[in-house]
Amino acid sequence: SQQGEEDPQALSIQEGENATMNCSYKTSINNLQWYRQNSGRGLVHLILIRSNEREKHSGRLRVTLDTSKKSSSLLITASRAADTASYFCAMGGTSYGKLTFGQGTILTVHP
Amino acid sequence: GAGVSQTPSNKVTEKGKYVELRCDPISGHTALYWYRQSLGQGPEFLIYFQGTGAADDSGLPNDRFFAVRPEGSVSTLKIQRTERGDSAVYLCASSSQRSETQYFGPGTRLLVL
Repeated sequence: SQQGEEDPQALSIQEGENATMNCSYKTSINNLQWYRQNSGRGLVHLILIRSNEREKHSGRLRVTLDTSKKSSSLLITASRAADTASYFCAMGGTSYGKLTFGQGTILTVHP
Repeated sequence: GAGVSQTPSNKVTEKGKYVELRCDPISGHTALYWYRQSLGQGPEFLIYFQGTGAADDSGLPNDRFFAVRPEGSVSTLKIQRTERGDSAVYLCASSSQRSETQYFGPGTRLLVL
């Protein structure tokens, strides 16, 4: 079973626009990670935020975490066609160990 | 040096057959994970190794699935008496002791006919 739900399921935008994806989860977490996947194969780690953090930045990525609402969001600014991919949030219940993934958001960025 | 590697990249088998999927983690990573991903879904956890031992095998769906990591490096996921419902992409990941970040391999796409 999957603990995380992502919203929207699909997002279509123009190059240069910002993309926001949301993730909600059910149980307590130690950390939350965001991954990108192209063509249904290997996942690429984007960013990790710990349960005691509220916001984190990495390049064009901004992640927020609200543990009281059990939700996180990923913002990609100034999107590019190369950002087209599926994006997954993944919850870590402990510092190490399994990740529980959401169902993903399919992002399409039109040139 | 390189990332996580998995072999084969694709495997087609017939219902009832036995298959082995191999994962070679990043050198020095003590933790190794197996996940399974069905079409249109996020990856689902199968098993997690810390060193040679399985620290958490709660995701293995039934006793047809088994995984080993005898020397604390390469791991093999073994599926007996395959069923059509086993068709999926099997993903392997590894992580170091210093970070919770998991690094994924390209996956093995298994098709059971």
